[in-house]
Amino acid sequence: EAGVAQSPRYKIIEKRQSVAFWCNPISGHATLYWYQQILGQGPKLLIQFQNNGVVDDSQLPKDRFSAERLKGVDSTLKIQPAKLEDSAVYLCASSLQGAGGYTFGSGTRLTVV
Amino acid sequence: RKEVEQDPGPFNVPEGATVAFNCTYSNSASQSFFWYRQDCRKEPKLLMSVYSSGNEDGRFTAQLNRASQYISLLIRDSKLSDSATYLCVVPRGPSGSARQLTFGSGTQLTVLP
Repeated sequence: EAGVAQSPRYKIIEKRQSVAFWCNPISGHATLYWYQQILGQGPKLLIQFQNNGVVDDSQLPKDRFSAERLKGVDSTLKIQPAKLEDSAVYLCASSLQGAGGYTFGSGTRLTVV
Repeated sequence: RKEVEQDPGPFNVPEGATVAFNCTYSNSASQSFFWYRQDCRKEPKLLMSVYSSGNEDGRFTAQLNRASQYISLLIRDSKLSDSATYLCVVPRGPSGSARQLTFGSGTQLTVLP
């Protein structure tokens, strides 16, 4: 079974620039999550999708972050404009509804300079 | 009080040692818990689930004390390959559904030769 695919693996941008991350979940997984992991901390949920609908985006800084999952499969997370404190690893995860088991992608490491 | 709190570490132990990590959680309604392992620059991976008083898997034992809202992870006969960050995780939402995960900040373990 193919895992959760994320790209790019690394990204360095200057503050105030924009950036986008892509995630392709495991085939058939209805639920997709984006987590942010700042160095030295545990991952923190940003947004949860069920198919192409948003279940919870209460912790997404909506003034600069946006996410979509238009066809209920892959997803894009965007930051515009980026701030220094957005430097983190952005992890995508998917799960099969009812099973509760998660699979994480390898993440995108963002550095904002 | 944070939702999930862990020993900050780091723990540096010799090979063969026994080491224990502690975790407390704030939501007394939580029913199940996880320990995840995260290697350096890798994604978190499920190590153990804890559903009742405890769970044992080889050298790893997880214990749960609901009255004190406390979870522990014990590693016996430590191996060099056990070096990683251990994350205490409390899921939110009904069991059997696609739940959100609340992570502790992690405890870093280094096993020394």
